[in-house]
Amino acid sequence: SYALSQPLSLSVALGQTASITCGGNDIGSKNVHWYQQKPGQAPVLVIHRDTNRPSGIPERFSGSNSGNTATLTISRAQAGDEADYYCQVWDSSTEVFGGGTKLTVL
Amino acid sequence: QVQLVESGGGLVKPGGSLRLSCAASGFTFSDYYMTWIRQAPGKGLEWVSYITTGSAMYYADSVKGRFTISRDNAKNSLYLQMNSLRAEDTAVYYCARAWGYTSSLDYWGQGTLVTVSS
Repeated sequence: SYALSQPLSLSVALGQTASITCGGNDIGSKNVHWYQQKPGQAPVLVIHRDTNRPSGIPERFSGSNSGNTATLTISRAQAGDEADYYCQVWDSSTEVFGGGTKLTVL
Repeated sequence: QVQLVESGGGLVKPGGSLRLSCAASGFTFSDYYMTWIRQAPGKGLEWVSYITTGSAMYYADSVKGRFTISRDNAKNSLYLQMNSLRAEDTAVYYCARAWGYTSSLDYWGQGTLVTVSS
């Protein structure tokens, strides 16, 4: 079965740029979606189909996908960006999630 | 506005059954794939099952043969019948919608907690 790998945690200084990676075999050929989840809340879609931001998501959030790695980039990180982030793809009629990355804003 | 509201969670003994519901509003329910995702305490997201617009059903290996997903387009509702429950099924269960295969899960409910314990 298809697997996605994410770093368990990442720290970023306030105002700096955070890059969260999602690794998978030939992930560049798939549509990658990213979700933000804050404690006690349901996940929220922040990037869909590799690079697209839903309405209401700040321009500071961007995505890329190539080869074996997809990346979620958060520019000018704010305290409110502190959350868990999950990547997700569809493969062989299943939905696959990465293990999640806990982002800490220092 | 789009709303998804789960219900039916609770405490159940190992081997027991539970039926979750997800009430949808604010969109044309029959046009969307619907999915169940769960999250064990302190853990990540795990896909459980989805049902297509044509009612084809797909399951994670961990629940195949024990869980059954269904939908009632007339009632704008999604269901998950969970049988032979195990301790490892303890989780918050979310319903979410997707436009189709390979699409994102663009709206999620707030979740309902299922606890399997004696």
